Amino acid sequence: AQSVTQLGSHVSVSEGALVLLRCNYSSSVPPYLFWYVQYPNQGLQLLLKYTSAATLVKGINGFEAEFKKSETSFHLTKPSAHMSDAAEYFCAVRVSGGNAGNMLTFGGGTRLMVKP
Amino acid sequence: EPEVTQTPSHQVTQMGQEVILRCVPISNHLYFYWYRQILGQKVEFLVSFYNNEISEKSEIFDDQFSVERPDGSNFTLKIRSTKLEDSAMYFCATAGDRGGYGYTFGSGTRLTVV
Repeated sequence: AQSVTQLGSHVSVSEGALVLLRCNYSSSVPPYLFWYVQYPNQGLQLLLKYTSAATLVKGINGFEAEFKKSETSFHLTKPSAHMSDAAEYFCAVRVSGGNAGNMLTFGGGTRLMVKP
Repeated sequence: EPEVTQTPSHQVTQMGQEVILRCVPISNHLYFYWYRQILGQKVEFLVSFYNNEISEKSEIFDDQFSVERPDGSNFTLKIRSTKLEDSAMYFCATAGDRGGYGYTFGSGTRLTVV
C-alpha cells in the first residue's frame, strides 16, 4: 500500500527565507503526487501535482516541487517566504493504473510558520 | 474557477442522531469522494463514488455511513447514529477523471458530536 511521510510537523522560517517542506512516499508503482495547502478554517487547495511528466513541477503562489524517484521524495520549495504562506501543507499520493485505488493517501501535514 | 460547495459549514449534533452532509460537485466531474480530518490529525479517505455506486471505501466507512446522489447533483454523506469520535472536519472532493489531474476539495463541514 502507498504511504506518505512528511518530515517535520512544524516548520518556521523568516519572511524572505527559503521554504523547504519534505515529503517522502512509498509506492510499488509510479505514483501521482500532490501538494495541498490548507489555510485556517478553509478547505484543501491544490498547490501542484506530479503526474509522470516533468520532474520539476511549478505550482501556484511561487511554489515548486521536484520528483526524485531515486530518493522517493517530492519536496516542496519556495525561494522566498511570504507572511501569507503561513498555513498547513499536505503531501498526498495517488497510485495510478490498473485496478489500483484512485483515492489519495495524505501525509500528516506540516504547519508552516513565517516570522516577520 | 469551478468550486465544490459543502453545506452546512458547521453542524452540532447529539450523540446517536443522524446527520447528512451535503456536497455539490463540479458539474462535469464524475468521481466523488469523502475524506475526514479529526482535529490535529491527517486527512483520511472515507469513500469514493462513481457511476452511482461506491467504488472504494476505507475501514472507517462502516455500516453507520452511507453515500448517495439523491437527485443527480448533490452528493451526500449520511452518518446514521453519530458517535463522539465522529467529530471531525468532513471534506467532499470531486475529480473529472480518476484523479490523475487533481481533485477539487470543498471547504468542509465541521461536525461536532456532543
